[in-house]
Parts: sequence; C-alpha cells; structure tokens
Amino acid sequence: DTAVSQTPKYLVTQMGNDKSIKCEQNLGHDTMYWYKQDSKKFLKIMFSYNNKELIINETVPNRFSPKSPDKAHLNLHINSLELGDSAVYFCASTVGGELFFGEGSRLTVL
Amino acid sequence: AQSVTQPDIHITVSEGASLELRCNYSYGATPYLFWYVQSPGQGLQLLLKYFSGDTLVQGIKGFEAEFKRSQSSFNLRKPSVHWSDAAEYFCAGRPSQNFVFGPGTRLSVLP
Repeated sequence: DTAVSQTPKYLVTQMGNDKSIKCEQNLGHDTMYWYKQDSKKFLKIMFSYNNKELIINETVPNRFSPKSPDKAHLNLHINSLELGDSAVYFCASTVGGELFFGEGSRLTVL
Repeated sequence: AQSVTQPDIHITVSEGASLELRCNYSYGATPYLFWYVQSPGQGLQLLLKYFSGDTLVQGIKGFEAEFKRSQSSFNLRKPSVHWSDAAEYFCAGRPSQNFVFGPGTRLSVLP
C-alpha cells in the first residue's frame, strides 16, 4: 500500500493552461504539505494544511490554489501555467515527526 | 533566518570508502533534524532522525549521524559506501510547523 500517493506522476501542458495534482495519504496524518523542487533540486515549501485548515502559505503566486477536502487529501490547482512553473511537485504528510513523501509529480510547461 | 546548509554540492567517493556529508543548522529552538535520500526520479526517503537523547543516531542502509550542538551540525556518515548509495542527500530541520531543507549534496560512487 502506498502511504502518500500523487496523481498524475507526469504532466506536460502548454502555457496558459490550468492543471491539478491530487494527493492522498493513508497514514492517518493530520498535516499535509506541498513542496516544489526546482531543476537544481532545491526543495521549497509552498503550502501546509492541518486538519483541512491552511497553516502555511509561503510566497506563492495566487495562481496556485490548494484545497483540502478532508485531512487525507490535499490537492493543488494551478491556473494560467507559466514556463517557470515547470518543476517536480511533492506532497508530504506528518503527524508530528518526520515527513513522508509522495513520489512526486513532474510538471513540464511548454 | 532559520536555515539548513550543506556546504558540499557534489561529493565523489570510491566504492568501499567511508563517507561523511556535512550539515549545519541555524535556528535556536531544540532542533529536530533529519537526513533524507532521493534516488533519480523518486521521492525522498527518510534515512534517520534526531529529536533528543543520544547524539549518535543510527539509520537505515548502514547510515549514522551525529548531532553536535556546539557546532550546530548534524553530519551523516557511512563506513563503507556501496554503488547503490549514489543519490541526492538532503539534510532537513524542523524549527516550527515548517520543515526546512538544505540544498542537497549529490553523491557519486566510483567503481
């Protein structure tokens, strides 16, 4: 059983399109995160939710909108995609200790 | 600012040699510290973690790390590297609700 699962694993799309990435965890964790990993492998926090409430909202363009319908799910919707949005997006969850990561969703904007 | 640094961008070692990857943190609270490994095209896997107690921490795959408060360091070590250890290694800290990651160290292993 996959603990933190993300779909899709790969997205290739044109500039200006809208796309969504879904994340689900079956670990019973309360807190979920979205991280962006750029081409230099640097990991940057984007958002965090605790029990469906937004607790971390870093300086991210408002084209990015997270949604947490319940504590096991955290989705990321991106409007009007730009070239600079190309990256690997990681979902992660925790219950207070370490982070558990999904396998990542590689977004390529053409 | 709360940060985690990894001074070495890329390290190359021969298979069977010992390894030490450096990590320093700069935040004042009791540090929760972690080492993760990322193989190409994969997510991040936890190698080990330090919350409190014994400053020498054992992890998976034969890795260990030592917390040194006086040096604000949490260096990762392995006595004998295997070719399969080639990957990107990330040190991370948790000063608050957020996890802060270092820039990563890429490990290459020569046969």
